[in-house]
Amino acid sequence: DVKVTQSSRYLVKRTGEKVFLECVQDMDHENMFWYRQDPGLGLRLIYFSYDVKMKEKGDIPEGYSVSREKKERFSLILESASTNQTSMYLCASSWTGGADNEKLFFGSGTQLSVL
Amino acid sequence: SQQGEEDPQALSIQEGENATMNCSYKTSINNLQWYRQNSGRGLVHLILIRSNEREKHSGRLRVTLDTSKKSSSLLITASRAADTASYFCATEGSGYSTLTFGKGTMLLVSP
Repeated sequence: DVKVTQSSRYLVKRTGEKVFLECVQDMDHENMFWYRQDPGLGLRLIYFSYDVKMKEKGDIPEGYSVSREKKERFSLILESASTNQTSMYLCASSWTGGADNEKLFFGSGTQLSVL
Repeated sequence: SQQGEEDPQALSIQEGENATMNCSYKTSINNLQWYRQNSGRGLVHLILIRSNEREKHSGRLRVTLDTSKKSSSLLITASRAADTASYFCATEGSGYSTLTFGKGTMLLVSP
């Protein structure tokens, strides 16, 4: 089975801190994504990557950056955390080609609280 | 953004009943997908229907797609308490694009 692992299930940080959210997938997927999920707003795409060292902005990239130095790992960085970044963060991955390439495989999520 | 919109926002039924959720979207799509999320966890892919398909089945799930109305429905037959979760539709737009998710329908199935 495909496994997408997010490093932390719950995280509490203070305003202004630099925060790293890590995501690792074990199926050699080319594509990786970061979403945030907020009540009443659904899932919104922050950043995605189609290959190592490549990144693309999603719908809400402001206040975030990403890093993809290795194919299996995609990191989301909050340069200076703010209270409005308190949210559930979901990482996902997918193939570029082959069967079922359109579907996403999700990690379990990281609930981030910024105090 | 062509975010899908699910309807209803919440649905409460008894075990054994059928549950129907609807999704509407705004622009042309390549495919539409349904995902399930158990409370506080990640999403799990359920089923994908392509723009040239009208109906698809997977176990107790039945999905329909009406591209003329830009809408889809997910039917879960003979619901079980374990089906309690949030259900999201997601659309992939025409041309190469990322998935855009709706806000979800919360389904509660009571024993």
